[in-house]
Amino acid sequence: AQTVTQSQPEMSVQEAETVTLSCTYDTSENNYYLFWYKQPPSRQMILVIRQEAYKQQNATENRFSVNFQKAAKSFSLKISDSQLGDTAMYFCAFMKTSYDKVIFGPGTSLSVIP
Amino acid sequence: AAGVIQSPRHLIKEKRETATLKCYPIPRHDTVYWYQQGPGQDPQFLISFYEKMQSDKGSIPDRFSAQQFSDYHSELNMSSLELGDSALYFCASSLELGQGQSYNEQFFGPGTRLTVL
Repeated sequence: AQTVTQSQPEMSVQEAETVTLSCTYDTSENNYYLFWYKQPPSRQMILVIRQEAYKQQNATENRFSVNFQKAAKSFSLKISDSQLGDTAMYFCAFMKTSYDKVIFGPGTSLSVIP
Repeated sequence: AAGVIQSPRHLIKEKRETATLKCYPIPRHDTVYWYQQGPGQDPQFLISFYEKMQSDKGSIPDRFSAQQFSDYHSELNMSSLELGDSALYFCASSLELGQGQSYNEQFFGPGTRLTVL
């Protein structure tokens, strides 16, 4: 069975600074998908970024980028130029195939401090 | 762009009552997933449907049942409600791989917050 671990329950960062959220996972699959979801106080689940395991290049989306280390089964999220609107719970997530369920990690609560 | 619609957005029930949650996927999406997120927890997969057939099942209690209808909307029926059923219930929809996509993203609805008293 696949598992997702996030070792940082809470983090904080000063506005405009950079922060990195950690995530590790366990799977015996060779091809899979990894995601970072953001859940603000509204509780809406918002996809931030995704990474296909077969792609070696790290995904980037504007201020968000990932460091995908397949051999180490590590998938960290870097947020640059942090903004107050980035304050949210961030979930690292895994999907075995493109039509499978999403398996979420326990989440990291990020606070951006003015 | 149209999003996933869930109704009701909030629901309050008493213990042992029954609740029905509805999910209307994005137009043309044929796959629906249900997730349960307890207070302070991560979302947990309950059940999914593809083309009106159950495609996968997670840790869904026997008291819960679900189905997908001919118009692709889905309903989650919960009976004999318990205090522990209080949670945010997400529905997500996707379009099955092969219809012009290399990856079928799951789009999440806003959730239904169920409170059992």
